[in-house]
Amino acid sequence: DQQVKQNSPSLSVQEGRISILNCDYTNSMFDYFLWYKKYPAEGPTFLISISSIKDKNEDGRFTVFLNKSAKHLSLHIVPSQPGDSAVYFCAARGNQFYFGTGTSLTVIP
Amino acid sequence: GAVVSQHPSWVICKSGTSVKIECRSLDFQATTMFWYRQFPKQSLMLMATSNEGSKATYEQGVEKDKFLINHASLTLSTLTVTSAHPEDSSFYICSAGPGASNQPQHFGDGTRLSIL
Repeated sequence: DQQVKQNSPSLSVQEGRISILNCDYTNSMFDYFLWYKKYPAEGPTFLISISSIKDKNEDGRFTVFLNKSAKHLSLHIVPSQPGDSAVYFCAARGNQFYFGTGTSLTVIP
Repeated sequence: GAVVSQHPSWVICKSGTSVKIECRSLDFQATTMFWYRQFPKQSLMLMATSNEGSKATYEQGVEKDKFLINHASLTLSTLTVTSAHPEDSSFYICSAGPGASNQPQHFGDGTRLSIL
């Protein structure tokens, strides 16, 4: 049973524009949410996180939004750069960490 | 730089061979490390939680005699796939964190295991 879902397997965005990656979860008890970035043949790299007591966390070009009522998490990247092209995983912490299936982002120069 | 090191990155071996994968935390001590398995186009699935100085906790459906975990020190956990068969071919990845609340897990680069 997939408790964390990323319904878009891929996303293409023009360089300089905003990239929005979405994530939905089912368990309202999750208290900590994370985004990871993964390049081929490498492990996921931590990008940004948010506690369930917040609804927004910003770090440079990356902003994570949390909508607890909708059980929805999103990552905004602005402006998008070609080096942002990677697979992005969202994760949520319950009694363990649960991961989405990833969204492959391509930023077109 | 990497805070979790995983080795080897790729293994190809014959059916029946046992394969050991190492996971090291480089910048911190980790009393707990996690082992995941990822099938193509699927998410990371937790296999087991490795606990320093005690037995690992395995997720339902994971054979503990098949996937031996040893966490002998605060910076090293090993996963041994015993008598590997082609169906064990997968991407195995470990993670570790400093342990404080609201601290992220850091991942190794994973091990691609191919059993012929």
